[in-house]
Parts: sequence; structure tokens; C-alpha cells
Amino acid sequence: QVQLQESGPGLVKPSETLSLTCTVSGDSLKTNYWSWIRQPPGKGLEYIGYISHNGDSNHNPSLKGRATISLDTSNNQFYLTLRSVTAADTAIYYCTRTARRLDFWSQGTLVTVSS
Amino acid sequence: DVVMTQSPLSLSVTLGQPASISCRSSQGLVYSDGNTYLHWFQQRPGHSPRRLIYMVSNRDSGVPDRFSGSGSGTDFTLKISRVEAEDVGIYYCMQGTHWPFAFGGGTKVEIK
Repeated sequence: QVQLQESGPGLVKPSETLSLTCTVSGDSLKTNYWSWIRQPPGKGLEYIGYISHNGDSNHNPSLKGRATISLDTSNNQFYLTLRSVTAADTAIYYCTRTARRLDFWSQGTLVTVSS
Repeated sequence: DVVMTQSPLSLSVTLGQPASISCRSSQGLVYSDGNTYLHWFQQRPGHSPRRLIYMVSNRDSGVPDRFSGSGSGTDFTLKISRVEAEDVGIYYCMQGTHWPFAFGGGTKVEIK
């Protein structure tokens, strides 16, 4: 069974950088696409971006170039970096498998942006 | 960007009765490979989203057969034939055809 687990700080200061790691078990990063999705508290889902097994990535233009997704196939982990965060970036962040189909999801981690 | 519009925003249903959720896209969702990447997700209170239906009408493993998806072009529908208590939550459609991929705003299903 494919499992995804995020890790990272739950609190980030405004203007700083949010960094999250997603560790995958039950599948190899070398064989699929991998994505990040977020959900502000009480609101809907926003697609952040995805990365392919060879490192090609695509990021939602709504984030104005602040997001970077990368991966480390040797550790079976992929990463989200979001720069210059504001309170509007407070959300539950999910990592998921595939880009177009989102078949497996992590449990989600709440990241709060506050001083 | 493709906009996904769901209706209604909320639905109050008697146990055992049917429910239907509409999802409309601002562009057609057939990809160059011939597939239509329109999916439905269920988010129960306090849980992460779970995919129920993929590519319009295919039920995921373990999803009860009371859930069904249909549609084509820009109009899609999720139907629950007989609502059960465990179906309470928010339902989202999502398109994975045109970048940036996008979700509908969600439909909240509750029991009357």
C-alpha cells in the first residue's frame, strides 16, 4: 500500500521560507509523478504543483514564482519550498501521488504563518 | 485558467434518498491522449481528501457502488443513489487536463 507522510515545521514567520518534506513508502519516486496540494482552514483545495520522476516540475502561477518542488530519489522523498510567506499561506499541506489523478494522499500537515 | 464550478454549495439529504452534485468546467476536459481527467474526491470531517471516482466514471477500489460519476465535455455529475450517514462531508471535483489543474469549490453534504 502506498503511503505518504509530510514533515516540517508547523509555524513559520512572515516573509520567511516554508519547507516541507514528503516521505513515500510502498512506491518509488522513480516511477511516477508527485504533487503538493494545500487547503486554507475551512476553505477549498488549491493545487500547488507537481514533479516528475526525472525532476521536471510545474508550479501553479497563482503562487507567483514563490514555490519550488524538488525530489531525492535515493531517500524516496520530495520537497516543497515556499518563499516569502504571508498569513495567506496558512493552510493544511498535502502531498499526493501522480499529477493528473491524485490517487493517494497524505494525512496533511497544518502550517501556520505568524510572528 | 480552467474554472471548475460546482453546484449546489450544500445539500441536505434524508438517509436513504439520492443526491446529485454538478460540476461544470469552463473548457472541455479531453486531453490529447483521449482521456478526460475529471475526478471526484470526498473529504470527511477532519480527514484528508479521498478519491472516489477517476476519469469521469471509474470507481476507486473500496468505493461503494452507490457512488457513480457521469458526464462529458464540460458537464459532469456525481450521484449517490442512497445516502448513508458515512457520506457526510465535502465533495470536490478536479480537472487534471489543463495546467494549472484545479478543483471545484466543493459541495457540502449533510443529513437532514
